[in-house]
Amino acid sequence: NAGVTQTPKFQVLKTGQSMTLQCAQDMNHNSMYWYRQDPGMGLRLIYYSASEGTTDKGEVPNGYNVSRLNKREFSLRLESAAPSQTSVYFCASSVGTGGKDEQFFGPGTRLTVL
Amino acid sequence: GQSLEQPSEVTAVEGAIVQINCTYQTSGFYGLSWYQQHDGGAPTFLSYNALDGLEETGRFSSFLSRSDSYGYLLLQELQMKDSASYFCAVSSPGGSYIPTFGRGTSLIVHP
Repeated sequence: NAGVTQTPKFQVLKTGQSMTLQCAQDMNHNSMYWYRQDPGMGLRLIYYSASEGTTDKGEVPNGYNVSRLNKREFSLRLESAAPSQTSVYFCASSVGTGGKDEQFFGPGTRLTVL
Repeated sequence: GQSLEQPSEVTAVEGAIVQINCTYQTSGFYGLSWYQQHDGGAPTFLSYNALDGLEETGRFSSFLSRSDSYGYLLLQELQMKDSASYFCAVSSPGGSYIPTFGRGTSLIVHP
């Protein structure tokens, strides 16, 4: 039982390049999330998927797109990377029942955009 | 929308008790969660309060006062390994029940 896995762990991009961050969970969770974490800013929600087949914008969606490929996988795409997108990206999943809906986080992807 | 306030840093000595406060403003309220994050690591869930009062889990306790829009995390018998960042998070119906995280409190435990 691997929990939530993310690839890659580290990435360096040049401005304007594109890339996709991959996330998978093996806990049969309904909901999945993408966050970014910047120093002193806490975790900010980029996009989420409450259930397979649905996606919604979070607090900071500009410059990103997502795909809920199936129940297990939720990917985040940067179409044209900008230095402002330098951050640590966390994927998370939860059962999705609301209330005490504990989120399980992946190990993170550390992205630098030059 | 939701907003949360927590201190940016708290320091304490090993063996002591420390309290990390969190005040929130939210349109509707469902629950208050706490997460722990060590440097370079992923956040991990610690506790959840939906009702007023104290929830205890080993050395950690979490308190909520809905009327005061206030909660705290209490860490007892501090250990060096408790040095980490602690985030409070509010979930509300207005936010599709998805938690909104505070900016985090860095806890530094000294020997």
